[in-house]
Amino acid sequence: DAMVIQNPRYQVTQFGKPVTLSCSQTLNHNVMYWYQQKSSQAPKLLFHYYDKDFNNEADTPDNFQSRRPNTSFCFLDIRSPGLGDAAMYLCATSRDQVQGWQETQYFGPGTRLLVL
Amino acid sequence: GQNIDQPTEMTATEGAIVQINCTYQTSGFNGLFWYQQHAGEAPTFLSYNVLDGLEEKGRFSSFLSRSKGYSYLLLKELQMKDSASYLCAVRDDNYGQNFVFGPGTRLSVLP
Repeated sequence: DAMVIQNPRYQVTQFGKPVTLSCSQTLNHNVMYWYQQKSSQAPKLLFHYYDKDFNNEADTPDNFQSRRPNTSFCFLDIRSPGLGDAAMYLCATSRDQVQGWQETQYFGPGTRLLVL
Repeated sequence: GQNIDQPTEMTATEGAIVQINCTYQTSGFNGLFWYQQHAGEAPTFLSYNVLDGLEEKGRFSSFLSRSKGYSYLLLKELQMKDSASYLCAVRDDNYGQNFVFGPGTRLSVLP
């Protein structure tokens, strides 16, 4: 089945130790997103790729970086995780967003990050 | 900027009907989406509205009024498995066509 896959599902890291979260998709969608979701809050968009074009949200900390080596894969790098970065990280994909079309986002299962 | 508002929590009884409201303010509205999210899981797509009116999908229906900046999700014949958070999200042309999510409504279905 076509899907969005995130690995690992749970990640434990230490304060200040770099960590990378992975996302892959078999949907061949050209847009990929990374969201941060803290408990009982809405997903917050960190950045997205439209094909290879990287779009950073204005309030995304510099501590967060992303790479998209090809259509299928996208990575979230947290250079120096702090305690406040503990959250669920959601990857999502969508196709070209055409006016009026029902182009929803398809979410992966998420990676829950714990910072010790 | 964008602003989306939903009630924080709701409680309903199995078999009943519940309506979850969403109000939004956005400058480049291009569609409203409802997602269901069970605890610890990813959001899953429920419904989409871009024109005014009611969209029905089985037990779930969603309504939109663009002039009022208002939508609701209607859940009929509630089941215990419907206990989840329900997220309203608006796609905004002035935000790179990206989605802006509301805070979510946590629905508890009681026996």
